[in-house]
Amino acid sequence: SQTIHQWPATLVQPVGSPLSLECTVEGTSNPNLYWYRQAAGRGLQLLFYSVGIGQISSEVPQNLSASRPQDRQFILSSKKLLLSDSGFYLCAWRGNGGVGELFFGEGSRLTVL
Amino acid sequence: KNQVEQSPQSLIILEGKNCTLQCNYTVSPFSNLRWYKQDTGRGPVSLTIMTFSENTKSNGRYTATLDADTKQSSLHITASQLSDSASYICVVSAGNKLVFGAGTILRVKS
Repeated sequence: SQTIHQWPATLVQPVGSPLSLECTVEGTSNPNLYWYRQAAGRGLQLLFYSVGIGQISSEVPQNLSASRPQDRQFILSSKKLLLSDSGFYLCAWRGNGGVGELFFGEGSRLTVL
Repeated sequence: KNQVEQSPQSLIILEGKNCTLQCNYTVSPFSNLRWYKQDTGRGPVSLTIMTFSENTKSNGRYTATLDADTKQSSLHITASQLSDSASYICVVSAGNKLVFGAGTILRVKS
C-alpha cells in the first residue's frame, strides 16, 4: 500500500534562518507531488506541484522553493525565513496521471519567531 | 472563476445529534467532489467522493449528497460522536486541478 511521510512534524525557527521540509512517498511510482500551506481558519493554498523529477511548478510568488531530486521525494526550502512563513505545511501526492485521489501527509507545523 | 464555498464556517453540536454541512461550487469542468476530514494538527483524510452521476454516497455515519444542477453538495453526519470534532473540507476537481473550500470546523460537545 502507498504511504506518505513528512518531517519534521514541528519546527520553530528564527527569522532569517533556512528551512528544509522533506516528504517521501512509498508504494507508488511517478506520483504528482504537492506542497500546500494552511493558515489558521483558511483553506489550503497550493504552493508547488511536481509532475516528475526536476519538474517544479509554482503557484504563488513567495519566499519558498521546492525541489524533487528523486521520483518519490519532494523538498520545501527557504534560504531565509520570514515571520509570514509560519503555518501548517502539507505534502500530498496524487496518482493516476494527476487525476486520482489526493493523499496528504501528516503535516509540518512551522513557527517563525 | 473557480470557487468552492462552505457553510457554516463553524458549528457546535451536542454528542448524538445530527448535522449537515454545505458546499456550493462554481468549478468547470466538473470532474468529482470529495469531502475530507481533518483532525486538528493532522493531514486531511478523504471521506467520500462524488462523481457527476452520483446523488448520494454513504460512509458509515457520513452521507454525502450532490446536486450537479444547482452545484451543491452536503455532508450529513448522523449520531455525532466526540471524535467527529474536526474540520471538514470540500474539494472539487476540474480535471487535474483541485479547488478547495475553506472548511467547516465542527465541534461536538458532550
